[in-house]
Amino acid sequence: NAGVTQTPKFQVLKTGQSMTLQCAQDMNHNSMYWYRQDPGMGLRLIYYSASEGTTDKGEVPNGYNVSRLNKREFSLRLESAAPSQTSVYFCASSERGATSTDTQYFGPGTRLTVL
Amino acid sequence: AQSVTQLGSHVSVSEGALVLLRCNYSSSVPPYLFWYVQYPNQGLQLLLKYTTGATLVKGINGFEAEFKKSETSFHLTKPSAHMSDAAEYFCAVRAISSGSARQLTFGSGTQLTVLP
Repeated sequence: NAGVTQTPKFQVLKTGQSMTLQCAQDMNHNSMYWYRQDPGMGLRLIYYSASEGTTDKGEVPNGYNVSRLNKREFSLRLESAAPSQTSVYFCASSERGATSTDTQYFGPGTRLTVL
Repeated sequence: AQSVTQLGSHVSVSEGALVLLRCNYSSSVPPYLFWYVQYPNQGLQLLLKYTTGATLVKGINGFEAEFKKSETSFHLTKPSAHMSDAAEYFCAVRAISSGSARQLTFGSGTQLTVLP
Protein backbone atom coordinates (compact mmCIF):
# COMPACT_ATOMS: atom_id res chain seq x y z
CA ASN A 1 0.00 0.00 0.00
CA ALA A 2 1.96 3.02 -1.30
CA GLY A 3 -0.65 5.67 -0.40
CA VAL A 4 -0.36 8.74 -2.61
CA THR A 5 2.45 8.79 -5.16
CA GLN A 6 3.59 11.69 -7.30
CA THR A 7 5.88 11.93 -10.31
CA PRO A 8 8.27 13.52 -10.96
CA LYS A 9 9.91 14.49 -7.67
CA PHE A 10 11.81 17.38 -9.21
CA GLN A 11 11.41 19.31 -12.47
CA VAL A 12 13.01 22.35 -14.04
CA LEU A 13 11.19 24.07 -16.89
CA LYS A 14 11.81 27.07 -19.06
CA THR A 15 9.16 29.75 -19.33
CA GLY A 16 6.52 28.71 -21.84
CA GLN A 17 7.17 24.99 -21.63
CA SER A 18 4.38 22.61 -20.69
CA MET A 19 4.33 19.63 -18.41
CA THR A 20 2.01 17.29 -16.55
CA LEU A 21 2.36 16.31 -12.92
CA GLN A 22 1.07 12.84 -12.19
CA CYS A 23 -0.65 11.64 -9.03
CA ALA A 24 -2.01 8.23 -8.11
CA GLN A 25 -3.55 6.77 -4.96
CA ASP A 26 -4.15 3.16 -4.06
CA MET A 27 -6.53 3.68 -1.14
CA ASN A 28 -9.72 3.58 -3.23
CA HIS A 29 -10.45 7.17 -2.26
CA ASN A 30 -13.15 9.12 -4.03
CA SER A 31 -11.72 12.63 -3.75
CA MET A 32 -8.40 13.99 -4.91
CA TYR A 33 -6.76 17.41 -4.65
CA TRP A 34 -3.89 19.47 -5.99
CA TYR A 35 -2.21 22.08 -3.79
CA ARG A 36 0.74 24.37 -4.19
CA GLN A 37 2.98 25.34 -1.30
CA ASP A 38 4.87 28.61 -1.28
CA PRO A 39 7.05 29.96 1.52
CA GLY A 40 5.04 31.77 4.19
CA MET A 41 1.72 31.01 2.51
CA GLY A 42 0.83 27.50 3.62
CA LEU A 43 -0.92 25.31 1.10
CA ARG A 44 -3.40 26.68 -1.42
CA LEU A 45 -5.87 24.55 -3.30
CA ILE A 46 -5.52 24.60 -7.08
CA TYR A 47 -8.17 22.09 -8.19
CA TYR A 48 -10.01 19.20 -6.66
CA SER A 49 -12.06 16.25 -7.81
CA ALA A 50 -14.84 15.19 -5.48
CA SER A 51 -15.40 11.97 -7.40
CA GLU A 52 -14.40 10.27 -10.60
CA GLY A 53 -15.55 12.34 -13.56
CA THR A 54 -15.82 15.66 -11.73
CA THR A 55 -13.36 18.48 -11.18
CA ASP A 56 -13.71 21.90 -9.57
CA LYS A 57 -11.57 24.99 -9.20
CA GLY A 58 -9.94 25.82 -5.92
CA GLU A 59 -8.41 29.03 -4.69
CA VAL A 60 -5.68 29.45 -7.34
CA PRO A 61 -6.66 27.65 -10.59
CA ASN A 62 -5.32 30.11 -13.17
CA GLY A 63 -2.64 28.65 -15.42
CA TYR A 64 -3.52 25.05 -14.59
CA ASN A 65 -5.72 22.29 -15.92
CA VAL A 66 -6.55 18.93 -14.39
CA SER A 67 -7.77 15.54 -15.50
CA ARG A 68 -9.32 12.87 -13.33
CA LEU A 69 -8.26 9.98 -15.50
CA ASN A 70 -9.93 7.32 -13.36
CA LYS A 71 -10.57 6.77 -9.68
CA ARG A 72 -6.86 6.30 -8.96
CA GLU A 73 -5.25 9.06 -11.00
CA PHE A 74 -5.48 12.85 -11.01
CA SER A 75 -3.07 14.85 -13.15
CA LEU A 76 -2.18 18.54 -13.14
CA ARG A 77 -1.07 20.24 -16.34
CA LEU A 78 0.78 23.48 -16.84
CA GLU A 79 0.19 24.51 -20.45
CA SER A 80 2.64 27.41 -20.55
CA ALA A 81 4.78 27.56 -17.45
CA ALA A 82 5.60 30.89 -15.83
CA PRO A 83 8.16 31.74 -13.13
CA SER A 84 5.25 32.47 -10.76
CA GLN A 85 4.43 28.77 -10.90
CA THR A 86 7.71 27.86 -9.23
CA SER A 87 6.47 26.02 -6.17
CA VAL A 88 6.12 22.68 -4.45
CA TYR A 89 3.04 20.83 -5.63
CA PHE A 90 1.22 18.34 -3.44
CA CYS A 91 -1.45 15.88 -4.39
CA ALA A 92 -3.83 14.58 -1.74
CA SER A 93 -6.75 12.21 -1.53
CA SER A 94 -9.59 11.54 0.88
CA GLU A 95 -12.12 8.79 1.21
CA ARG A 96 -15.35 10.63 0.73
CA GLY A 97 -14.65 14.32 0.26
CA ALA A 98 -18.21 15.41 0.70
CA THR A 99 -17.89 14.85 4.42
CA SER A 100 -16.09 17.67 6.16
CA THR A 101 -14.46 15.43 8.72
CA ASP A 102 -12.53 13.59 6.03
CA THR A 103 -8.80 13.23 6.50
CA GLN A 104 -6.67 14.13 3.51
CA TYR A 105 -3.60 12.03 2.76
CA PHE A 106 -0.73 13.76 1.02
CA GLY A 107 1.88 12.66 -1.46
CA PRO A 108 5.59 13.54 -1.10
CA GLY A 109 5.40 16.52 -3.45
CA THR A 110 6.90 17.70 -6.73
CA ARG A 111 9.41 20.53 -6.61
CA LEU A 112 9.00 22.61 -9.75
CA THR A 113 11.27 25.44 -10.84
CA VAL A 114 10.38 27.60 -13.82
CA LEU A 115 13.28 29.65 -15.21
CA ALA B 1 -15.16 32.79 4.40
CA GLN B 2 -12.80 31.09 6.76
CA SER B 3 -9.21 31.90 7.56
CA VAL B 4 -6.46 30.62 9.80
CA THR B 5 -3.75 32.55 11.60
CA GLN B 6 -0.71 30.84 13.05
CA LEU B 7 1.17 33.14 15.40
CA GLY B 8 4.92 32.77 15.00
CA SER B 9 6.38 31.47 11.79
CA HIS B 10 9.34 30.09 13.76
CA VAL B 11 9.34 28.64 17.27
CA SER B 12 12.38 27.29 19.08
CA VAL B 13 12.26 25.18 22.23
CA SER B 14 14.79 23.18 24.15
CA GLU B 15 14.58 19.42 24.21
CA GLY B 16 12.28 18.43 27.08
CA ALA B 17 10.49 21.79 27.17
CA LEU B 18 6.84 22.47 26.51
CA VAL B 19 5.81 22.94 22.90
CA LEU B 20 3.04 25.45 22.23
CA LEU B 21 2.05 26.31 18.68
CA ARG B 22 -0.76 28.81 18.30
CA CYS B 23 -3.65 28.71 15.87
CA ASN B 24 -6.64 31.03 15.66
CA TYR B 25 -9.39 30.74 13.12
CA SER B 26 -12.01 33.00 11.69
CA SER B 27 -15.24 31.41 10.60
CA SER B 28 -18.91 32.31 10.66
CA VAL B 29 -19.62 29.02 12.41
CA PRO B 30 -17.27 26.77 14.39
CA PRO B 31 -15.45 24.71 11.80
CA TYR B 32 -13.69 21.41 11.83
CA LEU B 33 -10.05 21.86 12.81
CA PHE B 34 -6.90 20.00 11.90
CA TRP B 35 -3.19 20.01 12.66
CA TYR B 36 -0.78 18.59 10.10
CA VAL B 37 2.97 18.07 10.37
CA GLN B 38 5.46 18.21 7.53
CA TYR B 39 8.91 16.72 7.97
CA PRO B 40 11.68 17.91 5.62
CA ASN B 41 11.13 16.91 2.01
CA GLN B 42 7.95 15.02 2.81
CA GLY B 43 4.23 15.50 2.40
CA LEU B 44 1.86 16.53 5.17
CA GLN B 45 0.72 14.05 7.79
CA LEU B 46 -2.32 14.42 10.00
CA LEU B 47 -1.47 14.93 13.69
CA LEU B 48 -4.98 15.32 15.03
CA LYS B 49 -8.39 16.74 14.26
CA TYR B 50 -11.39 18.16 16.06
CA THR B 51 -14.82 17.46 14.65
CA THR B 52 -17.34 17.11 17.47
CA GLY B 53 -17.42 16.01 21.08
CA ALA B 54 -14.56 16.44 23.51
CA THR B 55 -12.75 19.70 22.96
CA LEU B 56 -9.38 18.29 24.04
CA VAL B 57 -8.08 16.16 21.20
CA LYS B 58 -5.14 13.80 21.46
CA GLY B 59 -3.06 13.00 18.42
CA ILE B 60 0.00 11.07 17.43
CA ASN B 61 3.49 11.49 18.89
CA GLY B 62 2.18 12.90 22.20
CA PHE B 63 0.60 16.02 20.74
CA GLU B 64 -2.77 17.38 21.78
CA ALA B 65 -4.88 20.41 21.01
CA GLU B 66 -7.82 22.08 22.67
CA PHE B 67 -10.69 23.67 20.80
CA LYS B 68 -11.78 26.87 22.55
CA LYS B 69 -14.82 28.32 20.87
CA SER B 70 -14.84 31.50 22.94
CA GLU B 71 -11.26 32.26 21.91
CA THR B 72 -11.60 30.86 18.36
CA SER B 73 -8.39 28.97 19.01
CA PHE B 74 -6.99 25.49 18.49
CA HIS B 75 -3.48 25.60 19.95
CA LEU B 76 -1.21 22.58 19.66
CA THR B 77 0.81 21.43 22.67
CA LYS B 78 3.23 18.74 23.71
CA PRO B 79 4.52 18.53 27.29
CA SER B 80 8.09 17.58 26.42
CA ALA B 81 9.77 18.29 23.08
CA HIS B 82 11.90 15.69 21.37
CA MET B 83 14.49 16.28 18.70
CA SER B 84 12.35 14.30 16.28
CA ASP B 85 9.56 16.89 16.64
CA ALA B 86 11.51 19.38 14.53
CA ALA B 87 9.26 19.99 11.54
CA GLU B 88 6.79 22.45 10.11
CA TYR B 89 3.29 22.42 11.55
CA PHE B 90 0.15 23.56 9.80
CA CYS B 91 -3.22 24.37 11.27
CA ALA B 92 -6.19 23.96 8.92
CA VAL B 93 -9.92 24.56 9.05
CA ARG B 94 -12.82 23.24 7.10
CA ALA B 95 -16.35 24.59 7.05
CA ILE B 96 -19.14 22.37 8.27
CA SER B 97 -21.47 23.59 5.54
CA SER B 98 -21.66 21.94 2.15
CA GLY B 99 -20.42 23.19 -1.18
CA SER B 100 -16.88 24.34 -0.59
CA ALA B 101 -16.73 22.25 2.55
CA ARG B 102 -14.22 19.96 0.94
CA GLN B 103 -11.70 22.73 0.90
CA LEU B 104 -9.21 22.85 3.69
CA THR B 105 -7.90 26.33 4.44
CA PHE B 106 -4.36 26.18 5.76
CA GLY B 107 -2.43 28.54 7.95
CA SER B 108 0.98 29.74 6.82
CA GLY B 109 2.79 27.25 9.00
CA THR B 110 5.08 27.29 12.04
CA GLN B 111 8.59 25.91 11.81
CA LEU B 112 9.51 24.19 15.08
CA THR B 113 13.17 23.92 16.00
CA VAL B 114 14.19 21.75 18.94
CA LEU B 115 17.48 22.72 20.55
CA PRO B 116 19.66 20.13 22.31
